[in-house]
Amino acid sequence: RKEVEQDPGPFNVPEGATVAFNCTYSNSASQSFFWYRQDCRKEPKLLMSVYSSGNEDGRFTAQLNRASQYISLLIRDSKLSDSATYLCVVNRRSGYALNFGKGTSLLVTP
Amino acid sequence: DVKVTQSSRYLVKRTGEKVFLECVQDMDHENMFWYRQDPGLGLRLIYFSYDVKMKEKGDIPEGYSVSREKKERFSLILESASTNQTSMYLCASRDRGPEQYFGPGTRLTVT
Repeated sequence: RKEVEQDPGPFNVPEGATVAFNCTYSNSASQSFFWYRQDCRKEPKLLMSVYSSGNEDGRFTAQLNRASQYISLLIRDSKLSDSATYLCVVNRRSGYALNFGKGTSLLVTP
Repeated sequence: DVKVTQSSRYLVKRTGEKVFLECVQDMDHENMFWYRQDPGLGLRLIYFSYDVKMKEKGDIPEGYSVSREKKERFSLILESASTNQTSMYLCASRDRGPEQYFGPGTRLTVT
């Protein structure tokens, strides 16, 4: 089983839609979880951390289910500027490094 | 604001050349990382460093070496560049927290 698995998409949604991305991870001892956003030909940027209780940042909501080893990202009221690749990220056993999923591609259309 | 810079955005080198990729961070971060990113393969860790002069191999260290002589600078060295090292190279740094901050990347082409 891969360390972090994501549906690669692409997800094509109209402006204003709600879209959800899912991710599973294999290391049950993982403690840190993130969503990163990567625009085309740019570097990944931290979008938000994911906490056990779930957390929200504006239109973005992240959830963590430790029992199922499952992370989700919900984007409400999609904007054209949300078009990007979203990377699910989990810390490694060693603690220093992170495991990155291959990313889910989102295209928001007018 | 965290600032990670990389020496070049685009680089073209010939097979067999020795290539140096430089990364500098201005936030006094302890840990620095080098990744490569290829279509369909995602981000793969090459090397990381948790202190000056300290380094650890990542998942794909073959054909690469690193140098960290000063805290703010982490260099990736391709000893003898090959065409299969054509890739986007991304440097990242982190402080005590687990989240990493990336530089803009160097797109290296080896011909």
